Amino acid sequence: NAGVMQNPRHLVRRRGQEARLRCSPMKGHSHVYWYRQLPEEGLKFMVYLQKENIIDESGMPKERFSAEFPKEGPSILRIQQVVRGDSAAYFCASSPRSGDRGRTSNYGYTFGSGTRLTVV
Amino acid sequence: TQLLEQSPQFLSIQEGENLTVYCNSSSVFSSLQWYRQEPGEGPVLLVTVVTGGEVKKLKRLTFQFGDARKDSSLHITAAQPGDTGLYLCAGAGFNKFYFGSGTKLNVKP
Repeated sequence: NAGVMQNPRHLVRRRGQEARLRCSPMKGHSHVYWYRQLPEEGLKFMVYLQKENIIDESGMPKERFSAEFPKEGPSILRIQQVVRGDSAAYFCASSPRSGDRGRTSNYGYTFGSGTRLTVV
Repeated sequence: TQLLEQSPQFLSIQEGENLTVYCNSSSVFSSLQWYRQEPGEGPVLLVTVVTGGEVKKLKRLTFQFGDARKDSSLHITAAQPGDTGLYLCAGAGFNKFYFGSGTKLNVKP
């Protein structure tokens, strides 16, 4: 399966713990995006990364959230000291390239199946 | 504040009926995409529209991009239970797509 792989599918954390969400993009895709989805809502952009670079993190909360996409291995979205409000579905998407001068590529995204984070 | 407004939010119809869902914005987009999402899964890309006035057909689904590239519609002919899902539109922005909150479609057999 050459699709976008996210793990774990479900993650339960107690308040104050750390959550680490992993995303392996499609083969040949070097652009990774993280989105968050609350129940009955659309997806909200969090961060856009290329290998070893954060391109746009304008949707990331200023505290407790961080993301990386190392040279080797999956992209990681890390949430420290989780709170109940962090409970959501977190989706990763990848694309083969970006558009010109920051324009989003018309190639569209291939999404993973998401990680459903529940904070208890 | 939602950049893209989708309507209706919920739609429940009988198999065989036709339907149209709408995606509206006050902003102009260079391209717009439609996705379908099933419960517990990620969105799946259906179509990308780029040119104002563009119409694309995908079997029983017809997508239209408004002339001013601010709005789009999705028309489904003879809906089937397999069409059930959340339909999301997404407008291309700077380094990201902006998603609407979706239309939840239920097609009853």
